[in-house]
This record gives sequence, structure tokens and C-alpha cells, in this order.
Amino acid sequence: GQQVMQIPQYQHVQEGEDFTTYCNSSTTLSNIQWYKQRPGGHPVFLIQLVKSGEVKKQKRLTFQFGEAKKNSSLHITATQTTDVGTYFCAGPTDSSYKLIFGSGTRLLVRP
Amino acid sequence: DAGVIQSPRHEVTEMGQEVTLRCKPISGHDYLFWYRQTMMRGLELLIYFNNNVPIDDSGMPEDRFSAKMPNASFSTLKIQPSEPRDSAVYFCASSLSGRFVGAFFGQGTRLTVV
Repeated sequence: GQQVMQIPQYQHVQEGEDFTTYCNSSTTLSNIQWYKQRPGGHPVFLIQLVKSGEVKKQKRLTFQFGEAKKNSSLHITATQTTDVGTYFCAGPTDSSYKLIFGSGTRLLVRP
Repeated sequence: DAGVIQSPRHEVTEMGQEVTLRCKPISGHDYLFWYRQTMMRGLELLIYFNNNVPIDDSGMPEDRFSAKMPNASFSTLKIQPSEPRDSAVYFCASSLSGRFVGAFFGQGTRLTVV
């Protein structure tokens, strides 16, 4: 079955440093979605990428979808303590809406 | 809209008891998902519905788990009988097809089976 892995599992950075998490799927994705879950909270939708090679930005966050539509990345520039949480990628492998989540990357930020 | 509403927020039950988790999706959304989250296994998709019809229940761990969606505004996930290994946070999420807005999650039900 479809597997979506993320690396690293954990990342501990000093406030102001950059952060990147990588998402890799065992199968081609029709689209990729990114979510953020704060400690004790629920996943919150951040963005969706659909096109091969697509890049989108949200303030300090940059999202990229790979050319083969099997991988994606999220880069945060100059992390802040408010960025703390677990970042998940998620996506269906086909035109269905079966949303499979990656293993997540937990970000900790030292003030 | 109040968002996706789940109840109860917390549930503590004894092994062998029946547990029913409830979800009210966002009005107008045509997809509903049930997920289970644990430290060991992450966010697992249990089952999802489209227009109240179960589409894929391959993630339901055992026959002890069942889910229903009798109408567009209500869904239940039932565990009977419950076991300690069922302890987890269960999330319900809904989404609208054709819109690039992702899935909206409820606040989850934290289930503890003792």
C-alpha cells in the first residue's frame, strides 16, 4: 500500500535558524497537502500543491512539489517559537480523496 | 460555521465496554474521514465516506471497529469491545470536493481504555 515518509522525525533549532522537512511517497501523488499540528491540538491545513514542480510561499514558509510528484518539501526561513509543532504532508495517490498522512516532522524551537 | 465537532473530548472506559465516538462535519462538506493518532503509528486513516457512503474502510483495524454515517451531518465510530491498545486520539475531518482547501479536523476524542 501507499506509504508516505517524512524526514527528519525531529528537528531542534535555535530561533532564527532555518528548517526543512522532506516528504517522500512510495507512489505518485495526485496532489500534496501540508498540515501543522500544535502540541495537544489537531492538524490544521496549510496549503495544497497540485502541479509537478510547483512552488508556493506563505510568508516565511516555502512549499515545493517534486517534478515526479513523489516528493515534497517545506522550508521555514528564520524560525520563530510560534513555528513549534509537527508538520505533516498528506496526499492521495490517484483521483480519489483517500488522504494518507506522512509520519510527520516535529519541530522544536529554542528561544 | 463552528467547524467539525467531535464528542466526547475525552473518554475513559474499561476494557470490554462499548465506545461510541461522534462527529458532526462542516455543513456542505461531502467527504468525512476518521483518523486514529498514536505516538507509535502516527495518523492512520481508518475509513472515509463520500456523500454518506463508505468508500474505503481498509484502515479499520478489526471487526471490533465500525463506522456509520446515517446522514450528511452526523457520523459515529464504534468500538465493541474496547481493548487497551485502542487507546489513542481519534480525529474526524471533513472536506469539500473540488476545492483546494484541504481537510478540516475536529479537536479529537482522547480515548483511554483501562
